[in-house]
Amino acid sequence: AQTVTQSQPEMSVQEAETVTLSCTYDTSESDYYLFWYKQPPSRQMILVIRQEAYKQQNATENRFSVNFQKAAKSFSLKISDSQLGDAAMYFCSFSGSYDKVIFGPGTSLSVIP
Amino acid sequence: GAVVSQHPSWVICKSGTSVKIECRSLDFQATTMFWYRQFPKQSLMLMATSNEGSKATYEQGVEKDKFLINHASLTLSTLTVTSAHPEDSSFYICSAPDASRGHGGELFFGEGSRLTVL
Repeated sequence: AQTVTQSQPEMSVQEAETVTLSCTYDTSESDYYLFWYKQPPSRQMILVIRQEAYKQQNATENRFSVNFQKAAKSFSLKISDSQLGDAAMYFCSFSGSYDKVIFGPGTSLSVIP
Repeated sequence: GAVVSQHPSWVICKSGTSVKIECRSLDFQATTMFWYRQFPKQSLMLMATSNEGSKATYEQGVEKDKFLINHASLTLSTLTVTSAHPEDSSFYICSAPDASRGHGGELFFGEGSRLTVL
């Protein structure tokens, strides 16, 4: 069974600084997708970034980038130039051949003005 | 991106009554809908997967007779919490992939429904 682990329940970052959120996963599949979703206080889930496992190049989306290490089954999210609006719960998630999306426990990110 | 509309956004009901939550895909056909439950400050726990025109698949530990899921059309899936009790109070979220756009597993989420059972 697939599992997703986020070892940092809470993180904080100074505004304009950079923060990295950690995620590891376990799977026996070779073809899958990884995602980072953001859940602000409104609780609407928002896709931050997506990575296809077959792609070696790390995905980037403006201030958001990932460090995907397939062999280590690691998928960290880096947020550069942090903004107050980045404060939210961040969920790392995995989608494999069965199309189910499995979520990690989440990391609560605070941005300090 | 694709839009999923979920209603009601919040509902309060008396213990023993039933509550229906609707999720509609507004600009795509959702052949599959996932229903999640989220407790405060916790992650999303998959309850069941519904497929249009067939019976839902429930995750282990989820009571199928309590959480009735219907996926009657390609744009509508409903979750009915039957004989609700206070322990059913939670935040329920639906989501669906839009396979036609090749999003590779990306889910489009409803706004969520907060259920409070008195």
